[in-house]
Amino acid sequence: KQEVTQIPAALSVPEGENLVLNCSFTDSAIYNLQWFRQDPGKGLTSLLLIQSSQREQTSGRLNASLDKSSGRSTLYIAASQPGDSATYLCAVKDDKIIFGKGTRLHILP
Amino acid sequence: DGGITQSPKYLFRKEGQNVTLSCEQNLNHDAMYWYRQDPGQGLRLIYYSQIVNDFQKGDIAEGYSVSREKKESFPLTVTSAQKNPTAFYLCASSMSGVGYTGELFFGEGSRLTVL
Repeated sequence: KQEVTQIPAALSVPEGENLVLNCSFTDSAIYNLQWFRQDPGKGLTSLLLIQSSQREQTSGRLNASLDKSSGRSTLYIAASQPGDSATYLCAVKDDKIIFGKGTRLHILP
Repeated sequence: DGGITQSPKYLFRKEGQNVTLSCEQNLNHDAMYWYRQDPGQGLRLIYYSQIVNDFQKGDIAEGYSVSREKKESFPLTVTSAQKNPTAFYLCASSMSGVGYTGELFFGEGSRLTVL
């Protein structure tokens, strides 16, 4: 059974720092992995999707990597800003879509 | 603009009442999903549908029902049989099949409170 873990559950960093969020999964036979952002009381916003054949995807200050063999993905945020404060979730798709519980990120002004 | 619209945003219900949450998408997506989100827990799948007039139970379907009469619409009914219905409900959709990435898109959610 696929399990998705995101550690840490919460993270606070000063504005301007580069940071890495982690996502690990137990079964490497996935179709894709998707990163989302969720603001309080809102729905999920898709940030990046990495297909199983890809190693990374980039969008602006965000870069997501995928290492299927080790069951890991990272979301790199460059030059963090207070507006980046949110909960970040990853989800893997095999025959189902399994979500992690998210990392709550707080960027300190 | 293309997207997923959920309504109502907030809903209050007395115990014993059924309520229906609306989900409409104009993305021409084949697949639609309903998730439940509770504090401290990940998203849990209630029901999903990959094609009109067909749907499957997810991990926590008891006490819920759905219909998929139109491609763009996937309403969720929370019945009185659902023991703990207070939660945040999220609808999502994706394009499935060969040649598509399967990227998942979400609505803004509906918060249901049972009084």
